[in-house]
Amino acid sequence: KQEVTQIPAALSVPEGENLVLNCSFTDSAIYNLQWFRQDPGKGLTSLLLIQSSQREQTSGRLNASLDKSSGRSTLYIAASQPGDSATYLCAVNDNYGQNFVFGPGTRLSVLP
Amino acid sequence: GAVVSQHPSWVICKSGTSVKIECRSLDFQATTMFWYRQFPKQSLMLMATSNEGSKATYEQGVEKDKFLINHASLTLSTLTVTSAHPEDSSFYICSARVGQGIRSQHFGDGTRLSIL
Repeated sequence: KQEVTQIPAALSVPEGENLVLNCSFTDSAIYNLQWFRQDPGKGLTSLLLIQSSQREQTSGRLNASLDKSSGRSTLYIAASQPGDSATYLCAVNDNYGQNFVFGPGTRLSVLP
Repeated sequence: GAVVSQHPSWVICKSGTSVKIECRSLDFQATTMFWYRQFPKQSLMLMATSNEGSKATYEQGVEKDKFLINHASLTLSTLTVTSAHPEDSSFYICSARVGQGIRSQHFGDGTRLSIL
C-alpha cells in the first residue's frame, strides 16, 4: 500500500528566503506526482504535475523534482512571499489505481 | 479551463438530516470523479471513486449506505450524507480527472459540513 510522507510538517520563514519542501513515497511504481496548494478552508490548487518519466517541472518561482527510484520529490520555492503561506500537499498516482494518495502536507508561513 | 464547481460551500444542519453535495465539471466532461474527506489539520482521504453510469467504488471503511454517490452525467456527481451525525462533520472535497493520459485532477473548493 502506497504511503506518502512530507517533511517538515510546518515551516516558518522570513520573506525572501528560498525553501525546499520534501515528499517521500514508499512504492516507486507511480504514474505521476502532483503538488498542490491549499489555503485554509479551501480546496486544492494544482501547482505542478510531474509524469513518472520526467525529472522536474518548473512554473514561475516553483520547481518540483522527482527521483522515482528513491521515492522522493522536492518542491523548491524561490524568493518566498507572504502570499505563499498555505499548506502544500504532494500526491502520487500509482500505476494500479486511478486516485491520488496524499501526503499530510507542509504548513508554510512566510513572514513579512 | 478545467474548472470544478462544488456546491454548497458550507452547510449546517441538525443531526439526522440528509445532506446532498454537488460536484460539477464546468467546461469539460469527467467520466471519473473522486470524493475526499478532510478532517482538521489532516490530509485528504479518498472516500470513493465515482464513475459515470456505474456504481461508485468505495474505499475500505467507508459506508456505502451512508455516503450515497450518484454520477448520472458526465458533468455531475453528487454525494449524499444520509442521516448525518456530528461525527460526519468534516470538509468534503470532490475532484474530476482531466485527461486519460495525463491523469491530472482538478479540485472543487470543498464543502464544510457541520452537523449539530
